[in-house]
Amino acid sequence: GEDVEQSLFLSVREGDSSVINCTYTDSSSTYLYWYKQEPGAGLQLLTYIFSNMDMKQDQRLTVLLNKKDKHLSLRIADTQTGDSAIYFCAETKGSNSGYALNFGKGTSLLVTP
Amino acid sequence: DAGVIQSPRHEVTEMGQEVTLRCKPISGHDYLFWYRQTMMRGLELLIYFNNNVPIDDSGMPEDRFSAKMPNASFSTLKIQPSEPRDSAVYFCASSTESDTQYFGPGTRLTVL
Repeated sequence: GEDVEQSLFLSVREGDSSVINCTYTDSSSTYLYWYKQEPGAGLQLLTYIFSNMDMKQDQRLTVLLNKKDKHLSLRIADTQTGDSAIYFCAETKGSNSGYALNFGKGTSLLVTP
Repeated sequence: DAGVIQSPRHEVTEMGQEVTLRCKPISGHDYLFWYRQTMMRGLELLIYFNNNVPIDDSGMPEDRFSAKMPNASFSTLKIQPSEPRDSAVYFCASSTESDTQYFGPGTRLTVL
């Protein structure tokens, strides 16, 4: 199947903003998600956006959605060392797959002091 | 709520052995998903159930893999016989129809 694309690695300094980008494949996806995975742990839902929205803000997190270009981004303001993790973008997998998710390979975010 | 529970957390086995991974979804969730995570392929959906019935198993790699959900609170993923290339982290997730998926902590499988 087609891939959800993300850059593999991002490094930022503590206090700066981080922007993680994603290109998804299915224009019919109802929801688009961002999950966070810390080392040795499962995936934790960070935030999601409904496909009829173009922006969602949740405290330090801002999600932007460009449906025309199938582009999703996650901005983390005032990035902290505790934000270091792998971030996964995910789309719902087509109309016959219920709410199954198609994930990108993840972006490793490293926050340096 | 205890969240999605998976067992074991770690499994080391030898090639050719049978492996059974277990999952208890969040109570009240009627969707259950099995994913596999590897460095090379990332997160892949293996199979998912709705109301205990398998809906899409197109991601199951081959006949060595099987999954069951005998009731609403328990599911198993079995690999028989296991091979080194099956080494991965296997995640179970559950959701309601209109809600997001909640993931378990995963089972790290190593096949020697």
